[in-house]
Amino acid sequence: GAGVSQSPSNKVTEKGKDVELRCDPISGHTALYWYRQSLGQGLEFLIYFQGNSAPDKSGLPSDRFSAERTGGSVSTLTIQRTQQEDSAVYLCASSLTATGAANEKLFFGSGTQLSVL
Amino acid sequence: QKEVEQNSGPLSVPEGAIASLNCTYSDRGSQSFFWYRQYSGKSPELIMFIYSNGDKEDGRFTAQLNKASQYVSLLIRDSQPSDSATYLCAVGGSGNTGKLIFGQGTTLQVKP
Repeated sequence: GAGVSQSPSNKVTEKGKDVELRCDPISGHTALYWYRQSLGQGLEFLIYFQGNSAPDKSGLPSDRFSAERTGGSVSTLTIQRTQQEDSAVYLCASSLTATGAANEKLFFGSGTQLSVL
Repeated sequence: QKEVEQNSGPLSVPEGAIASLNCTYSDRGSQSFFWYRQYSGKSPELIMFIYSNGDKEDGRFTAQLNKASQYVSLLIRDSQPSDSATYLCAVGGSGNTGKLIFGQGTTLQVKP
């Protein structure tokens, strides 16, 4: 596709339910990132995938959060047993590759607004 | 100490003035530095990147990097109301790991 695609754009769920957020990166981009942005705040790093390497999960806030990337392309971020503090915009970004500084330019999707009631 | 720090602002400047946005980072081995602009309700978009000490100019924007002081800044000359947005500083870690850490952003308001 022409850009990074995320779905759904909005998700309202009840506390305790599981949610899945999807990200489809730009074709050919090997690096994929998930960030979380709470209202009026900066971007909080969650997880990063680079090619076939083990993902960097250092930003995941708890074991309720997990992510996978299938076939080096589409990624799914799963939040189990959602809590109200999980409410935020979840942004996905991709870059051509992350093996060199010149390729760390990120292209962001439009985000998924998650609201946990 | 946060890994990347910015003053949240808001920074208010009159139209036509120079806006100066600052960012400090904690990882001395950081290799790459980026400025992203984020309009309200929109996703961030890259406006500048810099890898070497000194200044880098692109139109009305100048990025400045001082690795010894662990400081990066963005200057916007001839500020326009359309520049009003949140500016996010992002820093790539040492060893070119690819992981980018963002600051909390500085809100810029350019008043006509």
